[in-house]
Amino acid sequence: NAGVTQTPKFQVLKTGQSMTLQCAQDMNHEYMSWYRQDPGMGLRLIHYSVGAGITDQGEVPNGYNVSRSTTEDFPLRLLSAAPSQTSVYFCASSTRTEAFFGQGTRLTVV
Amino acid sequence: GENVEQHPSTLSVQEGDSAVIKCTYSDSASNYFPWYKQELGKRPQLIIDIRSNVGEKKDQRIAVTLNKTAKHFSLHITETQPEDSAVYFCAASNKERTGTASKLTFGTGTRLQVTL
Repeated sequence: NAGVTQTPKFQVLKTGQSMTLQCAQDMNHEYMSWYRQDPGMGLRLIHYSVGAGITDQGEVPNGYNVSRSTTEDFPLRLLSAAPSQTSVYFCASSTRTEAFFGQGTRLTVV
Repeated sequence: GENVEQHPSTLSVQEGDSAVIKCTYSDSASNYFPWYKQELGKRPQLIIDIRSNVGEKKDQRIAVTLNKTAKHFSLHITETQPEDSAVYFCAASNKERTGTASKLTFGTGTRLQVTL
């Protein structure tokens, strides 16, 4: 039981490049979400999903896309990376009472 | 939407002393308030939570109190130890509205340092 697995752990992108951050969970949770963590700002919700085929926007969705084709996977796509998207990204998988976070992806956009 | 404010941003205590971190929230419909601990370079992990129908909850050296009228909640750590040093985040959510603990609004974090 690996819990929530994120890949990659580190990534450097050039401005304008696109990429997908992967997130997979093996706990059969319906609920998954993506947060970004910036110094002094806590964690902010980007997108979330309440089940396969259902996604919704969080607090800071601009520049990011998500899809949820299976219960296990919830990838986050950066369409055209900008320096403002430099951050640590956490994926979470949740029951109704607890969110379990992945180990994070540190993304730098130069 | 919900807004959560957290104070202080940094807190230094001596080993054995108590630490208190306070949060306020804006949405009166919020009814679920978890606290997460994040050690340096690690993922956030749930340490305690409280629901709006409860005023206080304890788990060994950790306790959380909730005042719904004032819309604030606090984390209390007693007999602090060096391993308590970390960043602590409060959060709020309306579980009935979202049906999940996944859509959380976080505070900005408190860096707790426990000195010997």
